[in-house]
Amino acid sequence: KQEVTQIPAALSVPEGENLVLNCSFTDSAIYNLQWFRQDPGKGLTSLLLIQSSQREQTSGRLNASLDKSSGRSTLYIAASQPGDSATYLCAFRGGQTYNTDKLIFGTGTRLQVFP
Amino acid sequence: NAGVTQTPKFQVLKTGQSMTLQCAQDMNHNSMYWYRQDPGMGLRLIYYSASEGTTDKGEVPNGYNVSRLNKREFSLRLESAAPSQTSVYFCASFPRTLNSPLHFGNGTRLTVT
Repeated sequence: KQEVTQIPAALSVPEGENLVLNCSFTDSAIYNLQWFRQDPGKGLTSLLLIQSSQREQTSGRLNASLDKSSGRSTLYIAASQPGDSATYLCAFRGGQTYNTDKLIFGTGTRLQVFP
Repeated sequence: NAGVTQTPKFQVLKTGQSMTLQCAQDMNHNSMYWYRQDPGMGLRLIYYSASEGTTDKGEVPNGYNVSRLNKREFSLRLESAAPSQTSVYFCASFPRTLNSPLHFGNGTRLTVT
């Protein structure tokens, strides 16, 4: 069974720090990996999607990388701000081994950035 | 520019009561999903509909039924609610262009007493 793990579960940092959030998956038969942000009481908002053929994607201060061989993706947040405080989730969409209609989610990293 | 709309936002049920959670999307997406989110367990797929007229079980389908009423709407029904179904329920849609992101509604917070 595919498992998606996110470490750390929670993170509290001062404003301005550069952050790395980790996501690992157990099977390399990946189609793509998505990173989402969830604010309290809200749904999930897609941040970045990395296709299996890509190594990284960037959007503003966010950079996501994918290493299929090691089963890892990282989300890098540069110059963190209090507005970045939220829960960040990664989601794996399988390739040949798994039904590509299903996303498997990690349990998330809860980030707090304080002024 | 509504995206995915879920109703209601909050609901309290007594054990044994039934209810239907509604979801509608206005993006002409083919696939729709129902997830539940519980502390420490992440999002788990309940049911999904890859296209209008089809539905399939996800990871945790027991105690739920779904209806894909048309391309826009996908409802989730609890026939006899149990306290274990206390959760936040999210509906999502997807265009079936595989490298497109999933779009989520804002969720329904359900408490079963």
